[in-house]
Amino acid sequence: DAGITQSPRHKVTETGTPVTLRCHQTENHRYMYWYRQDPGHGLRLIHYSYGVKDTDKGEVSDGYSVSRSKTEDFLLTLESATSSQTSVYFCAISHSGVEQFFGPGTRLTVL
Amino acid sequence: AQSVTQLGSHVSVSEGALVLLRCNYSSSVPPYLFWYVQYPNQGLQLLLKYTTGATLVKGINGFEAEFKKSETSFHLTKPSAHMSDAAEYFCAVSDYGGSNYKLTFGKGTLLTVNP
Repeated sequence: DAGITQSPRHKVTETGTPVTLRCHQTENHRYMYWYRQDPGHGLRLIHYSYGVKDTDKGEVSDGYSVSRSKTEDFLLTLESATSSQTSVYFCAISHSGVEQFFGPGTRLTVL
Repeated sequence: AQSVTQLGSHVSVSEGALVLLRCNYSSSVPPYLFWYVQYPNQGLQLLLKYTTGATLVKGINGFEAEFKKSETSFHLTKPSAHMSDAAEYFCAVSDYGGSNYKLTFGKGTLLTVNP
């Protein structure tokens, strides 16, 4: 997890509230990713970024938005959280786009 | 789209026994292949990878995996299990689609090591 931090590490929120998760890297890697991990599903890609202000959708992007205004930070926003978004969220970074390194995760509970 | 199949969501072995975790992928071209390990309440740690070259790759903690193109497999092995190997293991495939590489993960295999 060296060089990647996620904040907060744990969050409990209520349905309908906005939530923003932050991923911060000190490696100056070009690529950053957001995944969610759910039992029986492995990791699924939500959104990714291939440069500052360059982002694209993954396989489970509905209900999520992202922003990357500088190389080191990648934000994931749930505009109006739902119980189905209760999950563990992982950020990953990559220099080449091939090999990815993961952060420690954020456990989000939506009541 | 790529798919990754890990046979067995839960594998249990005795300490000192062989560990074999199976991974098959769907791809018409040689992909990049990875195994990650996740310990409880932690992020994923890269265990080993295949990109090009030798098909038998060695990773950390005594694990190795062999890329078999004809079988579209990348099974993970360790000759002798240790209690500290208990964790969840994920196989992943990276290929180029659209304008970037993307990782597709299997659903994971939970390894239990019995004393």
